[in-house]
Amino acid sequence: GAVVSQHPSWVICKSGTSVKIECRSLDFQATTMFWYRQFPKQSLMLMATSNEGSKATYEQGVEKDKFLINHASLTLSTLTVTSAHPEDSSFYICSARDSGRAGGTQYFGPGTRLTVL
Amino acid sequence: GENVEQHPSTLSVQEGDSAVIKCTYSDSASNYFPWYKQELGKGPQLIIDIRSNVGEKKDQRIAVTLNKTAKHFSLHITETQPEDSAVYFCAAGTGTASKLTFGTGTRLQVTL
Repeated sequence: GAVVSQHPSWVICKSGTSVKIECRSLDFQATTMFWYRQFPKQSLMLMATSNEGSKATYEQGVEKDKFLINHASLTLSTLTVTSAHPEDSSFYICSARDSGRAGGTQYFGPGTRLTVL
Repeated sequence: GENVEQHPSTLSVQEGDSAVIKCTYSDSASNYFPWYKQELGKGPQLIIDIRSNVGEKKDQRIAVTLNKTAKHFSLHITETQPEDSAVYFCAAGTGTASKLTFGTGTRLQVTL
């Protein structure tokens, strides 16, 4: 149980294009999902908290107009990197909190590696 | 905000030996402390977690201890195996819908 999937697992795009990443909780409902960014050999940096049916909460320094988050259902959140540039290249990981379990346990997806040329 | 420090940054042990990774946190309101294992190119995998009403938790070869007074918690892996080699992250959180603050990670290498 507690499986989180991400799609795509990797993507290469040209500078200026937009890329959408999907995060799904496969066997549980998640009212809250989180989006992280991870640079090589570094820790996870929280970008935003995604709440089903409401606007996402962004961490300080994260541009909400560049990283669009939509959490339209209890099992799906999407992150769209708009007008991507090479500096946006990174490993993007989502996590989902199991609404059916108390205490905030987060389960992570396998990550999406974005390369912007 | 919360600040989590993690030590050591790298750890090399021989197969069969024990490994210990330590974390400290700053926010006394934090009450949830998970540990994640991340293999190269993959997402973090929850391996064990502990809440502030418990001092120790064990799951087979893995155990976590929590000292609320000193604000530190530790991961203990006994009888290490080569497949334990990975990067381990500790984290701290507050409340039921809390965001987690992660430590800087420990790269564990188990040698034959």
